[in-house]
Amino acid sequence: SQKIEQNSEALNIQEGKTATLTCNYTNYSPAYLQWYRQDPGRGPVFLLLIRENEKEKRKERLKVTFDTTLKQSLFHITASQPADSATYLCALEAAWNYGQNFVFGPGTRLSVLP
Amino acid sequence: GAVVSQHPSWVICKSGTSVKIECRSLDFQATTMFWYRQFPKQSLMLMATSNEGSKATYEQGVEKDKFLINHASLTLSTLTVTSAHPEDSSFYICSARDPRQGGTDTQYFGPGTRLTVL
Repeated sequence: SQKIEQNSEALNIQEGKTATLTCNYTNYSPAYLQWYRQDPGRGPVFLLLIRENEKEKRKERLKVTFDTTLKQSLFHITASQPADSATYLCALEAAWNYGQNFVFGPGTRLSVLP
Repeated sequence: GAVVSQHPSWVICKSGTSVKIECRSLDFQATTMFWYRQFPKQSLMLMATSNEGSKATYEQGVEKDKFLINHASLTLSTLTVTSAHPEDSSFYICSARDPRQGGTDTQYFGPGTRLTVL
């Protein structure tokens, strides 16, 4: 069956360190993989999109990698700050069902400690 | 960037009543909008895809007669929870694709609506 997993429900790191979040999927062939940030009681906010033919994408302190062989995406936040504390969701859209099947992972709740 | 709004941001209603939630794309036209439900500490679950001018497409297990979706214009989709019960209490979030992005599938989410059914 199709499944999306994120490495842990919660992750605590010290301010200034690099946070690394993992998204693994099985039985999907995603055209895109995206990362969103969600704060409590708010809707998700788009962060980065990476296509199946891209290995890496960067935006300021954020970096996303995409390994279609391992069926894994890594999301890195460098020089983390307490303001980065939030739940981070990965989401993918299958190429075979474009426009119809947008699936979210369970999310990882990141806490950056001062 | 694209902005999606929802109204109301929260609503409390009695069991058996109906509640309407609006989702608007403020600065772009959205032929497709999506409705999600999120229970506490869980991820978003897609309920239905709302298509302007046609019937919504519901995900398996979602009752279309209970969750009525109307996408009457290119900037407005509504979700009506009919005969709401306490188990319908949840966080409802809509999203829309911005066609101006051209070839990407980024979804822009509304702020969500917290529904509490007493």
